[in-house]
Amino acid sequence: DIQMTQSPSSVSASVGDRVTITCRASQGISSWLAWYQQKPGKAPKLLIYAASSLQSGVPSRFSGSGSGTDFTLTISSLQPEDFATYYCQQANSFPLLTFGGGTKVEIK
Amino acid sequence: QVQLQESGPGLVKPSETLSLTCAVSGYSISSGYYWGWIRQPPGKGLEWIGSIYHSGSTYYNPSLKSRVTISVDTSKNQFSLKLSSVTAADTAVYYCASLSYSSGFDYWGQGTLVTVSS
Repeated sequence: DIQMTQSPSSVSASVGDRVTITCRASQGISSWLAWYQQKPGKAPKLLIYAASSLQSGVPSRFSGSGSGTDFTLTISSLQPEDFATYYCQQANSFPLLTFGGGTKVEIK
Repeated sequence: QVQLQESGPGLVKPSETLSLTCAVSGYSISSGYYWGWIRQPPGKGLEWIGSIYHSGSTYYNPSLKSRVTISVDTSKNQFSLKLSSVTAADTAVYYCASLSYSSGFDYWGQGTLVTVSS
């Protein structure tokens, strides 16, 4: 099984800050990685797929990078609506999938 | 626009079987696509339960495989989840979602809380 490890588990940041979240796979997954945003009481929302492709309608301040085992999600200038929990998900073994443990972005 | 809606009992007794259905609108299941179930225990992260292709091929999380059955009913444009021998650890919000090979879970239901308790 492919394990996904996110870090940090939480981060405190201010509006306007640049925020970077890391996701590491237990084995190489090429670029088969997606990122999701989840707000309290809501279903997750797909932000990025194939490691760096922005889902339609997602603001350009979100970006993803990486391949192999190490990936990052970057929010270039944090906005009030970006405070949420973010999850990575591998699809290298599609349709057998694994989510990371999540990273909560909190207000500083 | 694809829309998904979960339905089923919100309370299940220990050792019984949890049964949920996901109704899909805005897209015909028989046209293709994969469909999946994901759950989230209160205050915890997301766990993939399993996926099904429109043809009926199924794929399950190895940790749940012995207890999970996912099926599809193309005539009703819906797919279903059954989880047997439930315990309190199965208490969670259960989501259904559409799954694209190229992009991931792109459309989600609103989720339904299932509590396992006597």
